[in-house]
Amino acid sequence: AQSVTQLGSHVSVSEGALVLLRCNYSSSVPPYLFWYVQYPNQGLQLLLKYTSAATLVKGINGFEAEFKKSETSFHLTKPSAHMSDAAEYFCAVSDQGGSEKLVFGKGTKLTVNP
Amino acid sequence: KAGVTQTPRYLIKTRGQQVTLSCSPISGHRSVSWYQQTPGQGLQFLFEYFSETQRNKGNFPGRFSGRQFSNSRSEMNVSTLELGDSALYLCASSLQGISGNTIYFGEGSWLTVV
Repeated sequence: AQSVTQLGSHVSVSEGALVLLRCNYSSSVPPYLFWYVQYPNQGLQLLLKYTSAATLVKGINGFEAEFKKSETSFHLTKPSAHMSDAAEYFCAVSDQGGSEKLVFGKGTKLTVNP
Repeated sequence: KAGVTQTPRYLIKTRGQQVTLSCSPISGHRSVSWYQQTPGQGLQFLFEYFSETQRNKGNFPGRFSGRQFSNSRSEMNVSTLELGDSALYLCASSLQGISGNTIYFGEGSWLTVV
């Protein structure tokens, strides 16, 4: 069965600092991996996805993530945090060749301090 | 291009009542999925429809049901509401409903059961 673990339910960084949000997955078959962002009282917006092309995936708003099979990880990074990045971030997995059903992590709430 | 549209955005129901939530996918998208988001359980998959057929179902009781119409619009219904059904219900759509497709989410319907 698939599962996603996001380390740290809350992460706080200063504006301009590196953002690192951690995601580890468990999947019996090669996975597709996604990062979504949710702003207060809104739905989910796709930041980026890994579909077995390049292991380093660039997304919107300056975010990127690297797929590391040996570590079963797909951590999300951004070199310099902006106040507008404050939101909740969700990592999700689906199985290649399977349905599009997403299994989500519990989420990480990012706070950006001025 | 209009995004995924969900109605109503907010509603309050009484225990024992039933509720119907509506979702209009992005034009051209044939797959619609539903997710429940609560603080305790996080984001959980409810079901997925493609071409009016339910292809996948999550681990929810039979009180939760859905359907998809020929124009790909979808509705979900929850009967005999319980306090624990209070949640944000998110609808998502994709082109073909296959793993790896980009899945677009709506703003959600906030259901409060009192």
